[in-house]
Amino acid sequence: KNEVEQSPQNLTAQEGEFITINCSYSVGISALHWLQQHPGGGIVSLFMLSSGKKKHGRLIATINIQEKHSSLHITASHPRDSAVYICAVTGNQFYFGTGTSLTVIP
Amino acid sequence: NAGVTQTPKFQVLKTGQSMTLQCAQDMNHNSMYWYRQDPGMGLRLIYYSASEGTTDKGEVPNGYNVSRLNKREFSLRLESAAPSQTSVYFCASPIAGGSYNEQFFGPGTRLTVL
Repeated sequence: KNEVEQSPQNLTAQEGEFITINCSYSVGISALHWLQQHPGGGIVSLFMLSSGKKKHGRLIATINIQEKHSSLHITASHPRDSAVYICAVTGNQFYFGTGTSLTVIP
Repeated sequence: NAGVTQTPKFQVLKTGQSMTLQCAQDMNHNSMYWYRQDPGMGLRLIYYSASEGTTDKGEVPNGYNVSRLNKREFSLRLESAAPSQTSVYFCASPIAGGSYNEQFFGPGTRLTVL
């Protein structure tokens, strides 16, 4: 059983659409991370949050500690948002989801 | 300030060959990690080092050894490579506190073992 589950695994959207990626976890955590991995392979940290909501540009991340659930929203999606989005949690170690592959079509 | 650097970016080995993956960070962090990433699976922890001079096994340590040479450098060694070790390897150095677009992973090493 994975400690971190993401849905959906794959997502295709038209440019401009509002996108939601979900993450559920089963372990106690001190923080949750959303990461972005582009086709070139590099991994970039988008957000780290332990409560509430964070926003940067068109990206919004929320977390509900009681429900052990987080969402990553992308507003007005663009083809350059195409990437794999990975949810990770920090408990006694890092646990990673398997990622959501997003393709945004022009 | 380069963040986390890894060498090499690509490597092809034959079964039984050995090699060392190098990782360095210039952020003065205590912790450093080695992960492998395989298709359909999340990143899996191989070894980690909570501070200079200490190393501990992660989820998948078999077939690997590590050295925390100093605070900056954390190397991963494959003594006798096997095809099952074909993967993409990432070194990471977690940052306490977060901000947008804060990179704490190295660029990755794509390893193929024939």
